[in-house]
Amino acid sequence: DGGITQSPKYLFRKEGQNVTLSCEQNLNHDAMYWYRQDPGQGLRLIYYSQIVNDFQKGDIAEGYSVSREKKESFPLTVTSAQKNPTAFYLCASSIGQVGNNEQFFGPGTRLTVL
Amino acid sequence: QKEVEQNSGPLSVPEGAIASLNCTYSDRGSQSFFWYRQYSGKSPELIMFIYSNGDKEDGRFTAQLNKASQYVSLLIRDSQPSDSATYLCAVRGGNFNKFYFGSGTKLNVKP
Repeated sequence: DGGITQSPKYLFRKEGQNVTLSCEQNLNHDAMYWYRQDPGQGLRLIYYSQIVNDFQKGDIAEGYSVSREKKESFPLTVTSAQKNPTAFYLCASSIGQVGNNEQFFGPGTRLTVL
Repeated sequence: QKEVEQNSGPLSVPEGAIASLNCTYSDRGSQSFFWYRQYSGKSPELIMFIYSNGDKEDGRFTAQLNKASQYVSLLIRDSQPSDSATYLCAVRGGNFNKFYFGSGTKLNVKP
């Protein structure tokens, strides 16, 4: 069954704690993305990666970090430097630069700061 | 100015009516255009994409693109209560792998 998985579904973080959100895809897509969605808001791009071992900052990268060591995996770490991390985090992937290609989304991780 | 603009709504239509959702974008170099549906608490799911000027129909959905006016719309015919959701417009810019999303239009279809 091809698709994008994210874990955990719900995550609770204490103040000052780093947490890592998992994103895995078996679609053989080159490009992967992380978005943040706040209540009643659209999606804001955190980081994206077009190829293994390469990634670029999006519009709101401060307080976040990523890695892309494998094609199928793009984990996101929310660091203690992110002052307001409570949000719905969405991972997406797309085939890559060839042709007009759409993004597919994982089910999301809802992060709450206690 | 935002890259992609949508009216936040809510847009309320009676069951069986046509719902018209609109989106404007700022980057004239934009390559392709997408409509996603997002139910409350869920992730977005792709419902339509369009690359060329004109109309594209898929079942009850029609996407319309006018690159000269930098305008893309989504028509939903015979609206059903199950169509009640937030509809996100997305635009793929000149940087092939960067997508810009609007803030979404909330659609309510009343039985």
